[in-house]
Amino acid sequence: EAGVVQSPRYKIIEKKQPVAFWCNPISGHNTLYWYRQNLGQGPELLIRYENEEAVDDSQLPKDRFSAERLKGVDSTLKIQPAELGDSAVYLCASSLVASGRVGEQFFGPGTRLTVL
Amino acid sequence: KQEVTQIPAALSVPEGENLVLNCSFTDSAIYNLQWFRQDPGKGLTSLLLIQSSQREQTSGRLNASLDKSSGRSTLYIAASQPGDSATYLCAVIIQGAQKLVFGQGTRLTINP
Repeated sequence: EAGVVQSPRYKIIEKKQPVAFWCNPISGHNTLYWYRQNLGQGPELLIRYENEEAVDDSQLPKDRFSAERLKGVDSTLKIQPAELGDSAVYLCASSLVASGRVGEQFFGPGTRLTVL
Repeated sequence: KQEVTQIPAALSVPEGENLVLNCSFTDSAIYNLQWFRQDPGKGLTSLLLIQSSQREQTSGRLNASLDKSSGRSTLYIAASQPGDSATYLCAVIIQGAQKLVFGQGTRLTINP
């Protein structure tokens, strides 16, 4: 079974440029998460989707970050414009949530963003 | 606000030793706790998941325990090997929410 797929794996951009990350979750997983991991820190949740609905985006900097999950499968996270402080690893995870039971989260390899 | 702390931040031991990594959390109302491994430049690999009703989980040389009342979990690694070198992260899911709250991790080095 394929795991969570993310692309690109690495991205280097100059500040003020836009950037987008793509995630394909594990087949059948209805819940998708985007986390940001700064160097030497644990990941922090940016946004959580249940199917195509964003149910928790309280930590998403909405002035420059946006996300979508069309058709409840793939998801895209966008930053426009990027700032130096956005340099981090962006991780996507997915899980199956059913009948109120929270499933184990599985993570993709991440996208390492460097903003110059 | 749930806070997760991992001690020590870094640990270096010779090959073959048994070792314990510690994780503490401030709010005992958790749904479950997960231990992850992260290799440099890579994503997170789930090692063990403990439901709130469980006391421990085992997988091979790994054993994780959970004491909700004291807000603590430990990851025990038996007979450590150089291939165990990585950063180990613990994370909890709070009841009523579904996001993982992570500690900062313990960077483990096993010396041959």
